[in-house]
Amino acid sequence: DAKTTQPTSMDCAEGRAANLPCNHSTISGNEYVYWYRQIHSQGPQYIIHGLKNNETNEMASLIITEDRKSSTLILPHATLRDTAVYYCIVAVSTLGRLYFGRGTQLTVWP
Amino acid sequence: EAGVAQSPRYKIIEKRQSVAFWCNPISGHATLYWYQQILGQGPKLLIQFQNNGVVDDSQLPKDRFSAERLKGVDSTLKIQPAKLEDSAVYLCASSLDGYYGYTFGSGTRLTVV
Repeated sequence: DAKTTQPTSMDCAEGRAANLPCNHSTISGNEYVYWYRQIHSQGPQYIIHGLKNNETNEMASLIITEDRKSSTLILPHATLRDTAVYYCIVAVSTLGRLYFGRGTQLTVWP
Repeated sequence: EAGVAQSPRYKIIEKRQSVAFWCNPISGHATLYWYQQILGQGPKLLIQFQNNGVVDDSQLPKDRFSAERLKGVDSTLKIQPAKLEDSAVYLCASSLDGYYGYTFGSGTRLTVV
């Protein structure tokens, strides 16, 4: 079962930062936080992952709290193409099962 | 690099019929997964292969679903006989080493009527 809690939906103005929260209060010490997104009619797409340090790549930034019980995915300048369902997942590694919850529907409006 | 290829893209069948889906993972990816995604829900793992061996099939309804991965490359997922509740998108994914996550295909949308 999914071990994360996310808001059902959020919206954001184009060009603004989108901050997507995720609670994972039962995360274990060896579990990573992964973020995927799914654009309509496509398969999920890997975005970023982290263990305890903040991470940044060309797509997004991941901020993990010091106690690791929650995290925030940041899309610094959201575009209309970022409209998607965003999934927060905790897992030891992706070589095993990933539990997808219902995710957060992010809608970016012009 | 080429992505994960799946076919067909769409399939409509009547209940009690059989259906098969095909997946070609990214070249060199040893791990292959099949997920089922029912409308409005997140994907659910059905089966995981490491090369041509099954690692985890605990969520696969084995009375009607079967999957194989011949020669550790392509994979097929079969449903026989199909039920109305099997209507879903079937996603295939592959992974090289797990560190940077899976790569998913676009899926096959199955409608059982």
